[in-house]
Amino acid sequence: KQEVTQIPAALSVPEGENLVLNCSFTDSAIYNLQWFRQDPGKGLTSLLLIQSSQREQTSGRLNASLDKSSGRSTLYIAASQPGDSATYLCAVRRDTGFQKLVFGTGTRLLVSP
Amino acid sequence: SAVISQKPSRDICQRGTSLTIQCQVDSQVTMMFWYRQQPGQSLTLIATANQGSEATYESGFVIDKFPISRPNLTFSTLTVSNMSPEDSSIYLCSVVQGENIQYFGAGTRLSVL
Repeated sequence: KQEVTQIPAALSVPEGENLVLNCSFTDSAIYNLQWFRQDPGKGLTSLLLIQSSQREQTSGRLNASLDKSSGRSTLYIAASQPGDSATYLCAVRRDTGFQKLVFGTGTRLLVSP
Repeated sequence: SAVISQKPSRDICQRGTSLTIQCQVDSQVTMMFWYRQQPGQSLTLIATANQGSEATYESGFVIDKFPISRPNLTFSTLTVSNMSPEDSSIYLCSVVQGENIQYFGAGTRLSVL
């Protein structure tokens, strides 16, 4: 059974810092991995998707990497801003046909001005 | 990317009553998904809804409690029946498009008194 863990559970940083969020998964047989952002009480916004054959994806100040063999992904946020404050979730999909997403526990990020 | 509209955005209900949540997508999709996010928790898949067939429920979720309709390729409803305070959660509708990218609606925030 796939289990997805995110560390740290919460993170507080001053504005301008570069930071790394971690996601680990127990079954490396994944189809893809997706990072989401969730603002309090709201739905999810897709940030980046990495296919199993890819090593990284970039969008603006965000960079996500994937090491499938070790069961790890990282989300790098450069020059953090107060508007980045949110919960960040990673989710993996298995590689055998269509499979449901399995979500991580989330990292709650607070960026202080 | 898919645009998903959910109604209502939030509601406060009395125990023992039922609430129907609507999900409208701006394009035709084969499968629609319903997730639940309990307070402080990550997302859990309730069921997958295909047009023209019964929904497929995940372990721990049953049709009598969470009946789902899928009358066409752009619309679905989830009913939370005979509600109790334990049903207080955010309920999210989701679809998959493109290269298995998952998109979410803004969610319905349900409080049961």
